[in-house]
Amino acid sequence: ELKVEQNPLFLSMQEGKNYTIYCNYSTTSDRLYWYRQDPGKSLESLFVLLSNGAVKQEGRLMASLDTKARLSTLHITAAVHDLSATYFCAVDPFSYQLIWGAGTKLIIKP
Amino acid sequence: DADVTQTPRNRITKTGKRIMLECSQTKGHDRMYWYRQDPGLGLRLIYYSFDVKDINKGEISDGYSVSRQAQAKFSLSLESAIPNQTALYFCATGQGTSTDTQYFGPGTRLTVL
Repeated sequence: ELKVEQNPLFLSMQEGKNYTIYCNYSTTSDRLYWYRQDPGKSLESLFVLLSNGAVKQEGRLMASLDTKARLSTLHITAAVHDLSATYFCAVDPFSYQLIWGAGTKLIIKP
Repeated sequence: DADVTQTPRNRITKTGKRIMLECSQTKGHDRMYWYRQDPGLGLRLIYYSFDVKDINKGEISDGYSVSRQAQAKFSLSLESAIPNQTALYFCATGQGTSTDTQYFGPGTRLTVL
């Protein structure tokens, strides 16, 4: 069975702290995606990771991919309130048909 | 103007009614997708289309049908709506390249009473 598991599913943290969201997947996939969803809004692409060892950074967010461990991480550095959202990872084992994690709801308190 | 639009944005309907959700895009992408989102379940693929003549079932196609009227238009129909189809529905588009990401519409919130 194809599974994409995110951990944790809910995270409440203080501004200024660092934290990591984990995304494990059960099938071979050379591509992994991270998306952000604000409450009541659509999904916005954050990162596309295309190979083992890929690392991408945008502002306070950094994503990495280990295809051998079937693991991706989304690291938040010195969190700010504006990063509060739900973060989804998705893998692409079947040629552009994404399999999604359940999402991690992140609340950052001032 | 938004690149991917969906109509309606909200819809309340009754069990047994037929309903159509519409999606249009101006991104020029060949690939279009319909997903539903339920709390705690992420997104699940209903149907996808790689071009006008290529339509495929996704993970949860039962109870749904689609029509690809043109490259830019992809409609989702519920032939006889039931309450467990209450969800948030998203249309997405993609180029189909190796670096492809999917671009999402604003979503349609559907409630079936």
